[in-house]
Amino acid sequence: DGGITQSPKYLFRKEGQNVTLSCEQNLNHDAMYWYRQDPGQGLRLIYYSQIVNDFQKGDIAEGYSVSREKKESFPLTVTSAQKNPTAFYLCASSKRDYSSYEQYFGPGTRLTVT
Amino acid sequence: SQQGEEDPQALSIQEGENATMNCSYKTSINNLQWYRQNSGRGLVHLILIRSNEREKHSGRLRVTLDTSKKSSSLLITASRAADTASYFCATDEGNNNDMRFGAGTRLTVKP
Repeated sequence: DGGITQSPKYLFRKEGQNVTLSCEQNLNHDAMYWYRQDPGQGLRLIYYSQIVNDFQKGDIAEGYSVSREKKESFPLTVTSAQKNPTAFYLCASSKRDYSSYEQYFGPGTRLTVT
Repeated sequence: SQQGEEDPQALSIQEGENATMNCSYKTSINNLQWYRQNSGRGLVHLILIRSNEREKHSGRLRVTLDTSKKSSSLLITASRAADTASYFCATDEGNNNDMRFGAGTRLTVKP
């Protein structure tokens, strides 16, 4: 059963703590993405990766970090430097990082920081 | 960063009616994609239209692209309550091929 998974679905953290969101795909896709979605808004690109051991900053990378040690995995760390981390985080993957390929999305992780 | 902008922000219709959502963008594009998002879920790809295409169909969906007006429309015919969702367009930035999403149209179909 191919797909992209994110865990956990809900995550609660205290301010000042780093937190890592998991994203795994078994679609054999080269490209993976992290987006942030705030209530009633669209998606904003945080980081993306075209290939293992390589990644690029998106529009709102400050306060976030990623790694891509395996093709299947693209974890996102929300650091204490992120000023407003409470949001819905979506991970996606595609065959390549070109716009002619559709993106497959995970179910999302809702992060609440208090 | 370049991104599509959907219009209207919200749309409420009766079941059986058609729903039309629009997307405008500012610079040239290679591809435009439409996605759907049910509340609190991930996005699901609906349709991709290339810059050299004018219209595409998929089931009850019809997408048009007018590159001269830098706009696209998504038409859902004979809407159902299950079509209630947010609909997003995503455009690339030309050279970079990065996709950017608009703020979406929130569609409510009343049974």
